[in-house]
Amino acid sequence: ETGVTQTPRHLVMGMTNKKSLKCEQHLGHNAMYWYKQSAKKPLELMFVYSLEERVENNSVPSRFSPECPNSSHLFLHLHTLQPEDSALYLCASSQAGTVDETQYFGPGTRLLVL
Amino acid sequence: EDQVTQSPEALRLQEGESSSLNCSYTVSGLRGLFWYRQDPGKGPEFLFTLYSAGEEKEKERLKATLTKKESFLHITAPKPEDSATYLCAVQSSTGGSYIPTFGRGTSLIVHP
Repeated sequence: ETGVTQTPRHLVMGMTNKKSLKCEQHLGHNAMYWYKQSAKKPLELMFVYSLEERVENNSVPSRFSPECPNSSHLFLHLHTLQPEDSALYLCASSQAGTVDETQYFGPGTRLLVL
Repeated sequence: EDQVTQSPEALRLQEGESSSLNCSYTVSGLRGLFWYRQDPGKGPEFLFTLYSAGEEKEKERLKATLTKKESFLHITAPKPEDSATYLCAVQSSTGGSYIPTFGRGTSLIVHP
């Protein structure tokens, strides 16, 4: 595997379900991100982890819970979601603190909440 | 607060009809400006990073340029496979944040 991978690619869940999204980066980066992308809206930053510590949480509802066990893996735990949470969830990574801090994105998880 | 405005929101071109996409930005010290291509339902694909005014980068039919206030993505003789949404993002050199601010994107459709 190369770059940034995400699983699953598609997910349908009910409002009472609990599921998790997984992201893995193979770029040796030290920062990882979760973004939400809804139709006709710009990318919304949800969480940032740098060196496995959460450094930013953009007022995301508590029904979204991130976890970063090491610098290569990032999870987003979902529970009691609402239909308006249906969106494309994107993971990205970058090498923070260097000249080139370009973010590289995964393919995304398309989430549908019924 | 950093701001990024992309124009036009949508652009339709005929195959071979060259054009440019605009990214205007306001940032307190530019650390980097990024261009991405995004196909429907997929993650953004990195195209270019520009660091200083006057810098230019090229890749196939795409050329990105940068001034102190805006960046252009020039598309020369586009093909239908260039159809996608193009995203611009800027990163500030102040405040210690390395997190970029994204624009809303330009949706490009190239007709054969």
